[in-house]
Amino acid sequence: NAGVTQTPKFQVLKTGQSMTLQCAQDMNHNSMYWYRQDPGMGLRLIYYSASEGTTDKGEVPNGYNVSRLNKREFSLRLESAAPSQTSVYFCASSLREGSYEQYFGPGTRLTVT
Amino acid sequence: QKEVEQNSGPLSVPEGAIASLNCTYSDRVSQSFFWYRQYSGKSPELIMSIYSNGDKEDGRFTAQLNKASQYVSLLIRDSQPSDSATYLCAVRGGAGSYQLTFGKGTKLSVIP
Repeated sequence: NAGVTQTPKFQVLKTGQSMTLQCAQDMNHNSMYWYRQDPGMGLRLIYYSASEGTTDKGEVPNGYNVSRLNKREFSLRLESAAPSQTSVYFCASSLREGSYEQYFGPGTRLTVT
Repeated sequence: QKEVEQNSGPLSVPEGAIASLNCTYSDRVSQSFFWYRQYSGKSPELIMSIYSNGDKEDGRFTAQLNKASQYVSLLIRDSQPSDSATYLCAVRGGAGSYQLTFGKGTKLSVIP
């Protein structure tokens, strides 16, 4: 089992460029999450998908969109990157309702110049 | 707004000592509580979950929960240098909530 995988590991964008961060899990988990982690701010939830076919906003959704492509994959898109989106992005997944233990991927370090 | 508070540290303990990490939360209906360990440059790793008042032990780790005081703690016995990391407290809200609110973490340094 690879667990939760994320691509790319590192990315540098110019302001206004777009990109999609990919996340996949092979644990047959129902729920998936996108977080960002900034120094002094901790982990903050951007979007989540409780189950295949559903997505919901988290604490900091502005500037992002998500797609739950299937049960395994959950992508995060930045349509027009801004320097404020420079961060480390983590994808996580959890098994099912009632079991909220979340398991994290290795992260994507994004720099927007 | 739901808040989870942790002392940012750094907390320094000698090797072999007990490290005590504390966390308070603001949402009284919170139901699930988690401790994650995060090494520098790595992703958070789940080390403990606790759902009921009292203590839960797993190896050298003990999580303690007091819902009346809205307080959760993590004890690490026989601390090792490899325990040096940032420890994140995470809290899930009430029934039906999927979201975890994370504290900003306590940095632990175990001195050989």
